[in-house]
Amino acid sequence: NAGVMQNPRHLVRRRGQEARLRCSPMKGHSHVYWYRQLPEEGLKFMVYLQKENIIDESGMPKERFSAEFPKEGPSILRIQQVVRGDSAAYFCASSPLPGLAGTSNTGELFFGEGSRLTVL
Amino acid sequence: DQQVKQNSPSLSVQEGRISILNCDYTNSMFDYFLWYKKYPAEGPTFLISISSIKDKNEDGRFTVFLNKSAKHLSLHIVPSQPGDSAVYFCAASVSGTASKLTFGTGTRLQVTL
Repeated sequence: NAGVMQNPRHLVRRRGQEARLRCSPMKGHSHVYWYRQLPEEGLKFMVYLQKENIIDESGMPKERFSAEFPKEGPSILRIQQVVRGDSAAYFCASSPLPGLAGTSNTGELFFGEGSRLTVL
Repeated sequence: DQQVKQNSPSLSVQEGRISILNCDYTNSMFDYFLWYKKYPAEGPTFLISISSIKDKNEDGRFTVFLNKSAKHLSLHIVPSQPGDSAVYFCAASVSGTASKLTFGTGTRLQVTL
């Protein structure tokens, strides 16, 4: 019963390096979401992807951050030239269905255990 | 701009008593609300949800109440158990926004013996 798998669980990078976080959704789920949790804060939406498409990236910082969900393989959240402020827990979630316009079905999200990025 | 607010960062309750966690929201477009529970070093897990067409939803020991006019919801846990000790996040969304959830900052519940 594999849930959402994220790796690495912990990642340490020096300022200026690149960080790549991977997420494999639950079996049968084709919708992936990335959230970031800064210390002592709630989770903040970053991006919503379906296979090969970015659906909503309204929460992504304009620079240095990118995300993809290729036809084959996991979703990748990429942070270039990391800075100390990028230190956070990054959570991936998946769902089988998106929210449907005109209904209250938002689709409960299933979260992974998170990837904790520390920037030195 | 914090659209979903959990004003109590922590709550301590004795085992067997009722835990009440509160959540307020400002965006009147929100029409679906969820509670997630999170243990340290783990991802959030879904607990219970409620649509804006209802004012109460119950699942075992967990009940969520929604007061749309006050833009307020609460999670009741009764009876509270030590295993309920965790951080509880309130989340809200707008129908048709593809599960884009807006989370509160969380309330840490400690259930004592």
